[in-house]
Amino acid sequence: DGGITQSPKYLFRKEGQNVTLSCEQNLNHDAMYWYRQDPGQGLRLIYYSQIVNDFQKGDIAEGYSVSREKKESFPLTVTSAQKNPTAFYLCASSTQAGGTGNTIYFGEGSWLTVV
Amino acid sequence: QKEVEQNSGPLSVPEGAIASLNCTYSDRGSQSFFWYRQYSGKSPELIMSIYSNGDKEDGRFTAQLNKASQYVSLLIRDSQPSDSATYLCAVGSGGYQKVTFGIGTKLQVIP
Repeated sequence: DGGITQSPKYLFRKEGQNVTLSCEQNLNHDAMYWYRQDPGQGLRLIYYSQIVNDFQKGDIAEGYSVSREKKESFPLTVTSAQKNPTAFYLCASSTQAGGTGNTIYFGEGSWLTVV
Repeated sequence: QKEVEQNSGPLSVPEGAIASLNCTYSDRGSQSFFWYRQYSGKSPELIMSIYSNGDKEDGRFTAQLNKASQYVSLLIRDSQPSDSATYLCAVGSGGYQKVTFGIGTKLQVIP
């Protein structure tokens, strides 16, 4: 079945560690996104990519890094510079990078907790 | 001013009633409007998209768009307890039609 697969579903990070969240899509979508969700704050955009080998910072990119080496994959690294990483992380994709009808579809999400 | 505003709720309605969820947005150039449903601990799932003024119906759901008033709403007819969730309004704005999400309205359908 087509969809967006995120892994792991649950992840624990020790202080000072970098962790990487995986996101793979087989929908042949051009654009991919990473959002962070905290209680009461809605979805905040971390990074997005419109095309392979290109990506742009979103609203809260500090402490995060991404790569887009393949159309299907958009991994997110949460670095030790991110001081409050505990959150629900959502990977998403859309058929086109912009324009009317830029409908975003989400993966199942990854829960990251700092221990 | 937030770009997309929603009342966080909770909005409580009795089973079988009509639930009305509202959203306002600040960018008059917005062209794409979406409603997502998010169950607790799960990811958002798309319910409806709307691009033109007026109503769009899909089963028990009706999306209403009024660009002049910068207002979009979602009506849920014959509300069921399974409709209890947080409903996110999302708006596409700018030349790139960047999608911005509201904080969501929590709906509780009381049996």
